[in-house]
Amino acid sequence: QSVVTQSPSASGTPGQRVTMSCSGSTSNVGSNDVYWYQHLPGTAPKLLIYKTDQRPSGVPDRFSGSKSGTSASLAISGLRSEDEAAYYCAVWDDSLTGYVFGTGTEVSVL
Amino acid sequence: EVQVVESGGGLVQPGASLRLSCEASGFSVTRSYITWVRQAPGKGLEWVSIIYTGGTTYYADAVRGRFTISRDNSKDTVYLQMNSLRVEDTAVYYCARLIETYSYGMDAWGQGTSVIVSS
Repeated sequence: QSVVTQSPSASGTPGQRVTMSCSGSTSNVGSNDVYWYQHLPGTAPKLLIYKTDQRPSGVPDRFSGSKSGTSASLAISGLRSEDEAAYYCAVWDDSLTGYVFGTGTEVSVL
Repeated sequence: EVQVVESGGGLVQPGASLRLSCEASGFSVTRSYITWVRQAPGKGLEWVSIIYTGGTTYYADAVRGRFTISRDNSKDTVYLQMNSLRVEDTAVYYCARLIETYSYGMDAWGQGTSVIVSS
């Protein structure tokens, strides 16, 4: 079981805003950069957010990241059908000396 | 174009060994961090191992002592030697590049190679 937990699911209608959480501890989320990845079945994961709140080139500004203490969040505004995917946070854990992926959040577009 | 391609997966029995390869193109593995991530059937992503430019390596607790990550600079290829395989190692294994531009986010991923451990 991962030491970083995420809300299992989130859903919304097209155009809505959805948020998801990534809860860790002082050895991971609380002290290191958080990354977010989008993963569609059968495809390669895609980097959405780096350094907690930065977007790589090509990622729409509908995606935004934030962090407070030992919890991080990813928000998707203007939800679109192509956003239906699994979303994972990832972070380095100082105690484990390794990366940890969160448990993942499945986003559904109703 | 930056690309990584995994290979070497297959069906093996418990206790067997397998070596996965991650071939890079469009960049040099000697100047990049490369990591392995896996996804078991019906499960989420799980970090496995990483090799840094200087050769330092780290492993997840679940594979430490059984898996070894290494690099062949001349072939721009990173390997994951997997020994004493267990049923719970069954997964799709992805390799990915971590790039400093994105604060060492994993920006280039392969399509994965499937490993099935079953008797």
